[in-house]
Amino acid sequence: AQSVTQPDIHITVSEGASLELRCNYSYGATPYLFWYVQSPGQGLQLLLKYFSGDTLVQGIKGFEAEFKRSQSSFNLRKPSVHWSDAAEYFCAVGVEDSSYKLIFGSGTRLLVRP
Amino acid sequence: DVKVTQSSRYLVKRTGEKVFLECVQDMDHENMFWYRQDPGLGLRLIYFSYDVKMKEKGDIPEGYSVSREKKERFSLILESASTNQTSMYLCASSFRETGVYEQYFGPGTRLTVT
Repeated sequence: AQSVTQPDIHITVSEGASLELRCNYSYGATPYLFWYVQSPGQGLQLLLKYFSGDTLVQGIKGFEAEFKRSQSSFNLRKPSVHWSDAAEYFCAVGVEDSSYKLIFGSGTRLLVRP
Repeated sequence: DVKVTQSSRYLVKRTGEKVFLECVQDMDHENMFWYRQDPGLGLRLIYFSYDVKMKEKGDIPEGYSVSREKKERFSLILESASTNQTSMYLCASSFRETGVYEQYFGPGTRLTVT
């Protein structure tokens, strides 16, 4: 069965520091992978997605993610974190059937120190 | 811009009440989804619909039902609300084209059952 693991429940970084949020997936075929962000009190917003091709994907707000098939990972990175990046981040994998469902990880809450 | 709206941001209901959560999207999306979000569990799919009057159970359908009478509207129904259904409920929609999994989310409804 497909699954997504985000091993870090909380991460705290200082403003201006680099960030990496981990995501591992379990899926038999080539996955469709996503990162979403949820600001407090808001719905989810798509940061970036990987379907095929270049394994380094650029997203909005200066985020990028790298697909590594050998490690079954899709880690999210940002070179310099801003205070406004404090939010919860969800990794998701697309289920390749007629439902087009997404399987979400449990989320990582990012706290930013001033 | 895609817009997914949910009828209430906050809702307080009593145990045993019948509860309706409404979701409307304005992008002519075929697929619509209802998730519940709980701390540490991420998003779990309750029900989804890929066409008018069509519905499919997700991972946690017990205690819920849905209705989709019009393409743009997808309702989640709690037949007899219980305290363990206190949660954040998120609606999402997407196109039903091959390989398209990007889901657009509403702001969520925080339901408290007392």
